[in-house]
This record gives sequence, C-alpha cells and structure tokens, in this order.
Amino acid sequence: EADIYQTPRYLVIGTGKKITLECSQTMGHDKMYWYQQDPGMELHLIHYSYGVNSTEKGDLSSESTVSRIRTEHFPLTLESARPSHTSQYLCASSEKTGANTGELFFGEGSRLTVL
Amino acid sequence: AQSVAQPEDQVNVAEGNPLTVKCTYSVSGNPYLFWYVQYPNRGLQFLLKYITGDNLVKGSYGFEAEFNKSQTSFHLKKPSALVSDSALYFCAVRDIRTGGFKTIFGAGTRLFVKA
Repeated sequence: EADIYQTPRYLVIGTGKKITLECSQTMGHDKMYWYQQDPGMELHLIHYSYGVNSTEKGDLSSESTVSRIRTEHFPLTLESARPSHTSQYLCASSEKTGANTGELFFGEGSRLTVL
Repeated sequence: AQSVAQPEDQVNVAEGNPLTVKCTYSVSGNPYLFWYVQYPNRGLQFLLKYITGDNLVKGSYGFEAEFNKSQTSFHLKKPSALVSDSALYFCAVRDIRTGGFKTIFGAGTRLFVKA
C-alpha cells in the first residue's frame, strides 16, 4: 500500500460552502498532483506541485486552489462549492528530486457531492 | 502532442482465458509508459512501466505489457484472467515536454472477467 492519505473519503455539502480536501504523503516525494475523475472515468490533472511553495494549474481549468507549505501536505480548497464541483478528486505523488520517470502513487480519493 | 488512446471502453473475457487491454501512444522522443488499475471506490494502483530496455515488461498480479515501437503500442496482457481482475485499467504516458512533471492518462478500459 502507498503511504498517501486523503480525507475525507466522502463528503456531501450544500452549495456555497467552503471545503478543503486534505492530502498527505509520508514518502518524501517532491511532486504532488490533484486529478479530477469524471463519472465517465477520465482523469484530468487540475493542479500539481514541484515542491514546497510551488503550485501550477493543470490541463483542466478548476475553481479550486491548492497550497504546498510543507513537503508532505497538499490540500485542495473550494471557496464556494457548486453542484458542478461534484466529482471524485484523486491526490497523487511521485519521486524525490531528479528522476522524472517514476510511477504515481495515489490516495484512495475524495468523493465530493454538492447539493 | 503527447497522448494515449485506449480504443476499447470495455473488454469481456471468461475466467481462465488470456486477456489483452489495448493502448497506443503518441509521444515526442522516448516514451515513458505506464499501466494503472482502479478498483471500485479506490484510487489508482501502479501495475507496471516501460522506460527503456526489454520490450516485455512484467508487473504486479501476473500482468505484463509489450512495448512495440513500430506500432506505437503498449498492450496490457495476462495469460489467464481471474474474476478478481475485473476493474478499470488506465494506460498513461509521462509528458517529457514538461520535464516529466505531468502524466497523461487514457480514457480507461473497463475489464469484466466472467466466472
């Protein structure tokens, strides 16, 4: 099992609420990622980070924001949730500095439902 | 552009029969190719990867994949399918244009193994 953890696993909230999805890894990886997975299965990269104090937007535009204050922690925040944000969010990490050919390690996912 | 294609949305096989899940890729330069598996309500798990070397790559749970440069394919195979292999399978490529920071996933193939 990979040492990457996401909380909460499931969250049902009302429109307009602020939410934070937590992601932590204990592998000392520098690179971390957030993917959004549609019900139709496809994965879309929404944010990634090279290391502490680095964050970049991914290929799919997202109203969420991320921060990377500590190596092990990469939380995702939605300031005002809407039903269109209903989805599965997957956090992943890879590699310490240097190699860029390694596999991703995924958390179990956070399934968000906005009513 | 870097991309991967999984031409089949779904593959059905009988238990004990060989299985193949297809993947083709389009990359600039040397491809870094991966297969991941996703069980229901779980994150993705790494199965195997091709970086360089032997074209036949062996991975977890008895899976293997063959890298074919001339056909730009990286099909996932298993000699004898198990019911427990039923899951969602993703082919992926590391995007070296971005220094390998991004992984691009195929749309996924759902594998059903019937007893």
